[in-house]
Amino acid sequence: GQQVMQIPQYQHVQEGEDFTTYCNSSTTLSNIQWYKQRPGGHPVFLIQLVKSGEVKKQKRLTFQFGEAKKNSSLHITATQTTDVGTYFCAGRQGGSEKLVFGKGTKLTVNP
Amino acid sequence: NAGVTQTPKFQVLKTGQSMTLQCAQDMNHEYMSWYRQDPGMGLRLIHYSVGAGITDQGEVPNGYNVSRSTTEDFPLRLLSAAPSQTSVYFCASTEDRVYSPLHFGNGTRLTVT
Repeated sequence: GQQVMQIPQYQHVQEGEDFTTYCNSSTTLSNIQWYKQRPGGHPVFLIQLVKSGEVKKQKRLTFQFGEAKKNSSLHITATQTTDVGTYFCAGRQGGSEKLVFGKGTKLTVNP
Repeated sequence: NAGVTQTPKFQVLKTGQSMTLQCAQDMNHEYMSWYRQDPGMGLRLIHYSVGAGITDQGEVPNGYNVSRSTTEDFPLRLLSAAPSQTSVYFCASTEDRVYSPLHFGNGTRLTVT
């Protein structure tokens, strides 16, 4: 079945450092979504990418979708303690109704 | 709007017991799904529904049953609980099948002893 691989599994940074998490799929994706889950909470939608090569920004967060629509990344500039949580990517293979999640990257930030 | 409501928040079961996790949404979303979250495993799809009367299996359906008699409700049944079903369960709904974001409930933490 469809798999979405996400790395790294854990990332610990000092406040102010940058952070990046990567997602890779073995098959072309129709779209990819990113979610954030705070400790003890539920996943919350951040953004969706649909077009090949698409780049979107939300303040200090930059999201990219690869040209082949098989990979994506989330980059956070100058992390803050409020960025702590687990970041998930989730993608759909073209035509599929099923959204498959990566295993997530757990980010901790040392103040 | 309450969004997606899950009950109970916590549950402890003994092996072999059955129970139903409730999920309700008030956004008139056609698409609903159940995920389980285990440490290091991310979110895995158990079952999903694209509308009332229609359900289908996800990645890890064994040991679980669902039905969708109304647009609002999508209960998840554990037929005979096993320790391997200890997990956090999330229900989610979305407006369309492909391009809308998932709205998650607050989750049910289930422990099977």
